[in-house]
Amino acid sequence: KQEVTQIPAALSVPEGENLVLNCSFTDSAIYNLQWFRQDPGKGLTSLLLIQSSQREQTSGRLNASLDKSSGRSTLYIAASQPGDSATYLCAVGGFFNKFYFGSGTKLNVKP
Amino acid sequence: NAGVTQTPKFRVLKTGQSMTLLCAQDMNHEYMYWYRQDPGMGLRLIHYSVGEGTTAKGEVPDGYNVSRLKKQNFLLGLESAAPSQTSVYFCASSFTRTAGLLYEQYFGPGTRLTVT
Repeated sequence: KQEVTQIPAALSVPEGENLVLNCSFTDSAIYNLQWFRQDPGKGLTSLLLIQSSQREQTSGRLNASLDKSSGRSTLYIAASQPGDSATYLCAVGGFFNKFYFGSGTKLNVKP
Repeated sequence: NAGVTQTPKFRVLKTGQSMTLLCAQDMNHEYMYWYRQDPGMGLRLIHYSVGEGTTAKGEVPDGYNVSRLKKQNFLLGLESAAPSQTSVYFCASSFTRTAGLLYEQYFGPGTRLTVT
């Protein structure tokens, strides 16, 4: 069974810092990996999707990397802003795109 | 284009009562999923469907049933609710276009269910 771990569970940084969120998974036979953002009491917003054949994806200040062989992905956020405060979830896609989720990293960006 | 919608948004049930959660998507996606989210545990897959008329079990299927009679709708049923089913339920849909590639999951806003 795929196990997905996100470290750290919580992170607090001052505005303007660059930061990295980590995601690790136990089974490297994945189809894709998706990063989501979740605001309190809300649904999930897709940030980036990396196919298994890709190494990274970029969107604005966000960059996600994937290393299947080591079972790791990172989400890099450049020049963090208070509006980036949310919980970030990593999900690994298996057969039929069934996703296995990590428990998330709660990010707080202080003004 | 509404995306993925869920009905209802909130519900309180007494132990033993039954209910159905409705998920609808207007993106013509083949795949649909039901997840539950509990504090500190991330999302866990309950059931999923890879097409109209087909359903399959996920990680935590016990106590739930599903049906997908129409491509755009995916129903989640609780026959006899238990306090352990207190959770936030999310529906998602996804699609495949190019052979071998699976694409993003799109999520609904969630249903907050409390069983007393």
